[in-house]
Amino acid sequence: RKEVEQDPGPFNVPEGATVAFNCTYSNSASQSFFWYRQDCRKEPKLLMSVYSSGNEDGRFTAQLNRASQYISLLIRDSKLSDSATYLCVVNPTGANNLFFGTGTRLTVIP
Amino acid sequence: GAGVSQSPSNKVTEKGKDVELRCDPISGHTALYWYRQSLGQGLEFLIYFQGNSAPDKSGLPSDRFSAERTGGSVSTLTIQRTQQEDSAVYLCASSSPGRRSYEQYFGPGTRLTVT
Repeated sequence: RKEVEQDPGPFNVPEGATVAFNCTYSNSASQSFFWYRQDCRKEPKLLMSVYSSGNEDGRFTAQLNRASQYISLLIRDSKLSDSATYLCVVNPTGANNLFFGTGTRLTVIP
Repeated sequence: GAGVSQSPSNKVTEKGKDVELRCDPISGHTALYWYRQSLGQGLEFLIYFQGNSAPDKSGLPSDRFSAERTGGSVSTLTIQRTQQEDSAVYLCASSSPGRRSYEQYFGPGTRLTVT
């Protein structure tokens, strides 16, 4: 079983829509969780860390459900510039590296 | 400030040749990571350096792959006797010590094509 699993999409949504992505992780002892954004042929960039209580950054809200071992990202009022691949990322306790999902592709349509 | 830099940005090599990829992390970042990303795949961890500690090489796919980090800063990833399946984007990342040590910042990558 993969460490991190995501629906690859693609998600095609109109401007202004709200869209949500989920991912699941296999290691219940994981402590650190992130969402990264990756534009086509570019490097991943940290979008936000995910905290136990959930956290919000502008139009973006991240939530963690430890009992079900899933992480979500909600994007409100989608912009064309939000079009990218969103990577769910987990750091299992004791691991030196991050484990990346394969990403969910989002396209925001005018 | 300056981000993570990598060179070359693109490398085309013939099967069987050796290649060296370079990473220059963000100044002050003690941790350095190498990943690779094949087309349509997620990032695959290769190796991790932290300060003067022994590197975590658990992700290296074969003994053709090696990496070193000199002076706690610049790192070089070497692939010997390249194979076509080595074609991928090789990404380097660094992170700072302390509370946000797991927030990694990536370089632009080196796109390696083995012909």
